[in-house]
Amino acid sequence: AQSVTQLDSQVPVFEEAPVELRCNYSSSVSVYLFWYVQYPNQGLQLLLKYLSGSTLVKGINGFEAEFNKSQTSFHLRKPSVHISDTAEYFCAVSLDTGRRALTFGSGTRLQVQP
Amino acid sequence: GAVVSQHPSWVICKSGTSVKIECRSLDFQATTMFWYRQFPKQSLMLMATSNEGSKATYEQGVEKDKFLINHASLTLSTLTVTSAHPEDSSFYICSASDPGGGNQPQHFGDGTRLSIL
Repeated sequence: AQSVTQLDSQVPVFEEAPVELRCNYSSSVSVYLFWYVQYPNQGLQLLLKYLSGSTLVKGINGFEAEFNKSQTSFHLRKPSVHISDTAEYFCAVSLDTGRRALTFGSGTRLQVQP
Repeated sequence: GAVVSQHPSWVICKSGTSVKIECRSLDFQATTMFWYRQFPKQSLMLMATSNEGSKATYEQGVEKDKFLINHASLTLSTLTVTSAHPEDSSFYICSASDPGGGNQPQHFGDGTRLSIL
């Protein structure tokens, strides 16, 4: 079975500051990794995904993440955040890109302050 | 791009009522759809996997007689919460992937907020 740990439940940051949201996973087999964003009362929007290849993945809205196999991590970063980035961020893993269900972390609330 | 539509977006009803939630894939055929449940300020937990033309696969602890899933066509899966009670109040989200779309991740609906009075 797979599991995902997001150590930070909340991350407050000032506007235009850099941010890193941490994600660690556990699996006995290779997995695919995802970051999703959820705005209040909405579904999930895919930010980026790691399937294979380059370990640095660039996504939408200026976000990027780096896959580190030795540390089993997939941290999400953005060099300069905006107020509009305030949302809940979920890290997820799957055994397949789409045909298998996702296992989600507990989520990190990013609160961008002016 | 591929889109998943979920309806209704918000439901408020009395205890004992049965509520049906629809999940549609708008521009692709989805042989498999997933239903998740999210409690306030918590993560998404998989409830069941909906398979077109066959019975759904439920996760441990999810009552199949309580949460009826029907996947009668390649573009529609429904989740019916039978005899709903206040503890069933939650945010329900479905997802699906395009099997012909290569390495495409799942697409999520916008969710249904269910409030049982």
